[in-house]
Amino acid sequence: ETGVTQTPRHLVMGMTNKKSLKCEQHLGHNAMYWYKQSAKKPLELMFVYSLEERVENNSVPSRFSPECPNSSHLFLHLHTLQPEDSALYLCASSPKGGTLVGELFFGEGSRLTVL
Amino acid sequence: AQSVSQHNHHVILSEAASLELGCNYSYGGTVNLFWYVQYPGQHLQLLLKYFSGDPLVKGIKGFEAEFIKSKFSFNLRKPSVQWSDTAEYFCAVNAGTGFQKLVFGTGTRLLVSP
Repeated sequence: ETGVTQTPRHLVMGMTNKKSLKCEQHLGHNAMYWYKQSAKKPLELMFVYSLEERVENNSVPSRFSPECPNSSHLFLHLHTLQPEDSALYLCASSPKGGTLVGELFFGEGSRLTVL
Repeated sequence: AQSVSQHNHHVILSEAASLELGCNYSYGGTVNLFWYVQYPGQHLQLLLKYFSGDPLVKGIKGFEAEFIKSKFSFNLRKPSVQWSDTAEYFCAVNAGTGFQKLVFGTGTRLLVSP
């Protein structure tokens, strides 16, 4: 149990579908992240939210749309995706200070397959 | 831009063998360095981290890593591996402040045979 919960764990969608990934953290952290994990590639940072404000957007295509309604919840809205977007999408959170500074707490990921 | 290189993509060892996984980063300023581990079917979790002070850092499960600034390296070591160490290991660097913008390497898959 990581304290970061992602749903759904598996998602299969067509290229014309609209779906969303959800992340919830129960750790009282104030920053949340979306990473993309593809085979044989480094984890790619997609978005960072700090205190519900987006502070990082790493040139992610607009077919990925994040939303952070509060410091505990993070969504990734998906629409008109491509097969190459198939990957494991990881959510993470981090505290701002204290002894845990620098540590990311990851969820188990949402495995996305785009047909 | 910062980058992290992990030289070994796949490593196969027998139990009790010693382990060293290489990690090099490219960034000239002050960095924070991390090793994360992902056991099969589980989430990524922190193994150890270096912020400052003693360059030899000890983590969980008998792992340690040494920061060598002159070589831009942060290699992971364990004197005697166990079957339960089978996992994927990721090196990461953070040169930012405030929120944690970690740059990860491609990972090394370790298989320990009993």
